Amino acid sequence: DAGITQSPRHKVTETGTPVTLRCHQTENHRYMYWYRQDPGHGLRLIHYSYGVKDTDKGEVSDGYSVSRSKTEDFLLTLESATSSQTSVYFCAISDSTGANVLTFGAGSRLTVL
Amino acid sequence: AQSVTQLDSHVSVSEGTPVLLRCNYSSSYSPSLFWYVQHPNKGLQLLLKYTSAATLVKGINGFEAEFKKSETSFHLTKPSAHMSDAAEYFCVVILYNNNDMRFGAGTRLTVKP
Repeated sequence: DAGITQSPRHKVTETGTPVTLRCHQTENHRYMYWYRQDPGHGLRLIHYSYGVKDTDKGEVSDGYSVSRSKTEDFLLTLESATSSQTSVYFCAISDSTGANVLTFGAGSRLTVL
Repeated sequence: AQSVTQLDSHVSVSEGTPVLLRCNYSSSYSPSLFWYVQHPNKGLQLLLKYTSAATLVKGINGFEAEFKKSETSFHLTKPSAHMSDAAEYFCVVILYNNNDMRFGAGTRLTVKP
């Protein structure tokens, strides 16, 4: 997990509240990704970023927004959390689409009551 | 449509015996394929990747995988399991573009003493 930090690592919140997860990297990698991991589904891409202020939707983007104002930070926001968003969220980084090797953070476990 | 299928959700082997974790994919393109491993409460780590070079790919910790186009398979093997191999393993395919990586549902490997 060297070079990539997720915060918070654990969070419990209530339905309808906003939540922001932060991913911070020290590798100066261009690409950053947010995934969610749920039993039986593997990891599913929520949003990704290919540069500062450049983001795009992934497979399961509904209910999530992202922002990247600096190379090192990629924020995932749940504007109004729902119980279906209870999950483990992983941030990943990649230095080029050619190699496409992802380096993952340690994960953020979110529980929405 | 499922783009990557891991045929076993759980595999149990004895220490010192061979490991086989099965993965089948579907892709309209010449695929790039990966195996990642996730130890409990950790992020994912790359084991190996196939990107249209040699069909037999060697990875870390003695794992290898063989790309078989005719069978659309990319099975992961190891000759002799070690207790430290107990983890969850994910097969990954790049689907439409380099930022659209699809994960299988995962195979949990248990290694018995």
